Amino acid sequence: KAGVTQTPRYLIKTRGQQVTLSCSPISGHRSVSWYQQTPGQGLQFLFEYFSETQRNKGNFPGRFSGRQFSNSRSEMNVSTLELGDSALYLCATAERGRDEQFFGPGTRLTVL
Amino acid sequence: SQQGEEDPQALSIQEGENATMNCSYKTSINNLQWYRQNSGRGLVHLILIRSNEREKHSGRLRVTLDTSKKSSSLLITASRAADTASYFCATDGASGGSYIPTFGRGTSLIVHP
Repeated sequence: KAGVTQTPRYLIKTRGQQVTLSCSPISGHRSVSWYQQTPGQGLQFLFEYFSETQRNKGNFPGRFSGRQFSNSRSEMNVSTLELGDSALYLCATAERGRDEQFFGPGTRLTVL
Repeated sequence: SQQGEEDPQALSIQEGENATMNCSYKTSINNLQWYRQNSGRGLVHLILIRSNEREKHSGRLRVTLDTSKKSSSLLITASRAADTASYFCATDGASGGSYIPTFGRGTSLIVHP
C-alpha cells in the first residue's frame, strides 16, 4: 500500500495570510489526525477526523480548522497566520484512530 | 502540558551498546506507544503496549510498562548507527470519553559507528 502523503512539503507564507495543507491517508484508513511540531512545544495534537466528522480536538485556537472528505482525504486550514505558526505539520492516519498511527512526511510551514 | 516525558533528553552511545529510554506519564492510559523520528521527518511507529501488558518485544526492541509508577522504558539492544533518531512515547490520554494522543518531548539518540 502507498504510504501517507502530504502536500505541499514546504510552504512559506507571510503573517496574516491563510494556508491549506492536504493529507491523503493509506487506503482503508478512515481516521486522520493532525499534529503540530515545534522545537519549543514538541508534538501537539490538533484534531482527528473519522468518517468526515471531527471526533477529537486539541487545545488550539479557532484559526486552526480541518475537514475530511468522503474518500478520507483531509485538509487542514490555518487562517490569519502568526509567526508562531511556523512548524512541521504532521498528518497521521489509522484504521480506527486509537492504535497504531502511520505518519506522513509532514509539511514544513514557515511564516515570515 | 505534556502527558509523556522522556528521559534522558539526549543519549550518545557507541555502536553495539544498548540504549535505554524512559517515559513517564501523568494520567491513566489505555495504551502507550513508542515512535521514532529521523531528522525532522515523519514518525515511524515502533511498538504499542496496552495497559494490561507488562513487557513487549519486537526485534531488538524491548518495551516495559509499569502502570503503578506510570512509566515505560524502551530498550534498544545492540544499537546501530541507523538507530540514530529521536524517540517519542505517546499515550492515548483517554479522559471523559475524548481521546487526546499526547507525545513527550523525545529522547535524541546518537549512535556512533
